[in-house]
Amino acid sequence: SQTIHQWPATLVQPVGSPLSLECTVEGTSNPNLYWYRQAAGRGLQLLFYSVGIGQISSEVPQNLSASRPQDRQFILSSKKLLLSDSGFYLCAWSVLGGPNEKLFFGSGTQLSVL
Amino acid sequence: GENVEQHPSTLSVQEGDSAVIKCTYSDSASNYFPWYKQELGKGPQLIIDIRSNVGEKKDQRIAVTLNKTAKHFSLHITETQPEDSAVYFCAASIMGAQKLVFGQGTRLTINP
Repeated sequence: SQTIHQWPATLVQPVGSPLSLECTVEGTSNPNLYWYRQAAGRGLQLLFYSVGIGQISSEVPQNLSASRPQDRQFILSSKKLLLSDSGFYLCAWSVLGGPNEKLFFGSGTQLSVL
Repeated sequence: GENVEQHPSTLSVQEGDSAVIKCTYSDSASNYFPWYKQELGKGPQLIIDIRSNVGEKKDQRIAVTLNKTAKHFSLHITETQPEDSAVYFCAASIMGAQKLVFGQGTRLTINP
């Protein structure tokens, strides 16, 4: 069966420090991969999605970047964190194409920028 | 692009009663409508979904209805239990378009 791993679960970082969040998927090949952010008490905002290695689409202009160095690995990064980057970050995957495009989420990373 | 509105933002019901959450979408081309349940500190979990070729789908105590003409869909939870307390999200997408657009979420509280 397919599983998605996201780490760390919680992270406290000072303003101006770098960020690296990692997500890996097991049990499937060539998935679509996504990074979402959820601000406190709010909905899910799509940040990036990827349909293949090295292919990244950005949904909103921001202080973050994403990379997909391997088929089942998705990384969210920042060179210098801002206070506004605080939030709950969720990685997700879906089956590429086909009639059964369900989206599955990881357990999330709670990022606090102080 | 697609826009999804979800109501209410908070909902409190007595245990055993029914709960209904409603969503509207803007893009008539959308044809896939999932619902997610998110417990505190966890990622959202898919609980039920519906495609535009059907008007209703049921899975035990939960059901989803879709009105394509009015562009709205609803989640119905019957015989609510304390473990139903969570935040629920609706979403809409076009199959093959690679990404879902989510509503703002509904915090459902089941009172014992």
